Formats: sequence, structure tokens, C-alpha cells
Amino acid sequence: TQLLEQSPQFLSIQEGENLTVYCNSSSVFSSLQWYRQEPGEGPVLLVTVVTGGEVKKLKRLTFQFGDARKDSSLHITAAQPGDTGLYLCAGAGGTSYGKLTFGQGTILTVHP
Amino acid sequence: DSGVTQTPKHLITATGQRVTLRCSPRSGDLSVYWYQQSLDQGLQFLIQYYNGEERAKGNILERFSAQQFPDLHSELNLSSLELGDSALYFCASSAQTGYADTQYFGPGTRLTVL
Repeated sequence: TQLLEQSPQFLSIQEGENLTVYCNSSSVFSSLQWYRQEPGEGPVLLVTVVTGGEVKKLKRLTFQFGDARKDSSLHITAAQPGDTGLYLCAGAGGTSYGKLTFGQGTILTVHP
Repeated sequence: DSGVTQTPKHLITATGQRVTLRCSPRSGDLSVYWYQQSLDQGLQFLIQYYNGEERAKGNILERFSAQQFPDLHSELNLSSLELGDSALYFCASSAQTGYADTQYFGPGTRLTVL
């Protein structure tokens, strides 16, 4: 069974601070995806990383896939209140076709 | 708007009952996934269909079943409902079934079992 450990579970910071969310596993994934979910809505894809060591940037968000494709991180620079939400990492791969294994999620609150 | 529609948005029912959740994938997407989200378990994969055929199964209870119809919409049937089945049920769709395919999630159905 593939498992993804996501940390921290909760993060409460002030506007302008930086933060990093981690996603770790003992299993290798073919791809790692990061989603953001707002209350009452479905998760929305932020990024997909597929190559070990890959780094992708989306404005103030930086995503990294570990060299061994077992871990990933999401770094947000100068967080803003609009970044508040639930962030989820999800892994896919192997013989599981496209099914996603999700981490427990990180609830981020950015205070103005 | 992801293009994936789910009905109903809310469902309140009693223990022992049976309900059907419906999902229409994005136009052109062949793959449909069902996920369950609860506070204690997080988002859990239930089952995947691709072009009408079951492709992968997760931790789906025997009381639950699903199917994908020729028009590619899918239904998730939940029977003999228990209090613990209360959760958000999401449907997602993707063009194919690859590990890098983007999955687009619907708005979910909130099921409350009383």
C-alpha cells in the first residue's frame, strides 16, 4: 500500500511570511501532484511533477520532486491571505493507472 | 468550473438506506474516478472506470458499487448505509488513464447519514 505523509497538518502564519509543506513516502511515485481545495469545492490541480529532481514554479509557489521520486515539497514565498486553503499532495504511478494516493492535507491560514 | 458535474450536491438519508450519486465527466474525458473525503481518513480513492470498464479499485466497501454508462457518465451506488458513510464524495475525470493525466474534480456530493 502506498502512503503519503504530509506535514505540517496545520499552518497559521502572517501575511508576507514564507512557508514550506512537505510530502513524504517510502514508495516511488511516477508523478506527484499538488492540489488546493476551498471549502465546499473539489480539489483544483496546481501542478504535476514527473521527473526526479524537477522544480516547477507557479508565481510565488515553488514545487520540487525529490530525486528518488518519493517526496515533494511546496514552498510559498510572501504568503497572502488569498493563499488560505487546504493543500493536498497526491501521488500516482506503478500499476495503479491514474488513481491518486492523497496525503492528509495541510490547512493553511494566512492572516492579514 | 472544472467541467465535471455531480448531483445531488447534498443528500441526507437514514441508516440502512440506499442512494445513488451521479457524475458527468468533462466532455471528451474517458476516465472517471470516485473518491471519498472524510475528516479522519482524508481523500481516499474508491474506484476508476475507463471507457465503460472498471480499471482500478481502492478501498471500496462491498456495499458500494459503481458503473460507467455508454455516454460516459458514472453512478456510485451506496447501500445499507451506516453513520460512518457520511462524507464528501468526489468524482474526477481525465482524458486517459495515465499517471500524469490531470484529474478534474467535480464539486462533490455531501452525504449525511442519520
